[in-house]
Amino acid sequence: QQQVKQSPQSLIVQKGGISIINCAYENTAFDYFPWYQQFPGKGPALLIAIRPDVSEKKEGRFTISFNKSAKQFSLHIMDSQPGDSATYFCAASMKRRQNFVFGPGTRLSVLP
Amino acid sequence: ETGVTQSPTHLIKTRGQQVTLRCSSQSGHNTVSWYQQALGQGPQFIFQYYREEENGRGNFPPRFSGLQFPNYSSELNVNALELDDSALYLCASSLEPVGFWQRNTGELFFGEGSRLTVL
Repeated sequence: QQQVKQSPQSLIVQKGGISIINCAYENTAFDYFPWYQQFPGKGPALLIAIRPDVSEKKEGRFTISFNKSAKQFSLHIMDSQPGDSATYFCAASMKRRQNFVFGPGTRLSVLP
Repeated sequence: ETGVTQSPTHLIKTRGQQVTLRCSSQSGHNTVSWYQQALGQGPQFIFQYYREEENGRGNFPPRFSGLQFPNYSSELNVNALELDDSALYLCASSLEPVGFWQRNTGELFFGEGSRLTVL
């Protein structure tokens, strides 16, 4: 119940295309869902986050879509650029718990 | 503003040895969390330190221990190293303890990690 599932494991997209990464969870107590971006040799960095009281959040080219009833959320990267090539992790947390639960990651490669 | 810094960046140990990893939190952050990231996996929560005390622990054995100092920096100690301990160890700081999110964005600021190889 503490798991967050993530797909696909890897993704190759042409420059200018849309990258879509999906995550699913079981525990309805989760109430905060961030996405982290990690470049090789670096630690993860927060990209965008959403709480379950909204169905969509957009920041620049990055959008989170959230489906509370299906317990799923996804990251959409519009106009994907080679500089977006990185590993993306979805995560979840809940009140009064000290940890974030991370998905296994999606390795995105954007071809020039 | 100084980010999260970790040391050493890489180290190699043999099975049974002990290791200490160090972390300086971002300026103004009073909470430090440690995560283990195995190759090709997402980070796994080890524990969190707040006000120099352990404040939450993941599913890791007692040979994983830590400290937090008055300046909010932290250490992760691992005794009796096993081959499976080979991983990237990430330190993350935050404005307040994870689990208390009522006022802030809930963001973890990660360091670049310490890559531990156990032979």
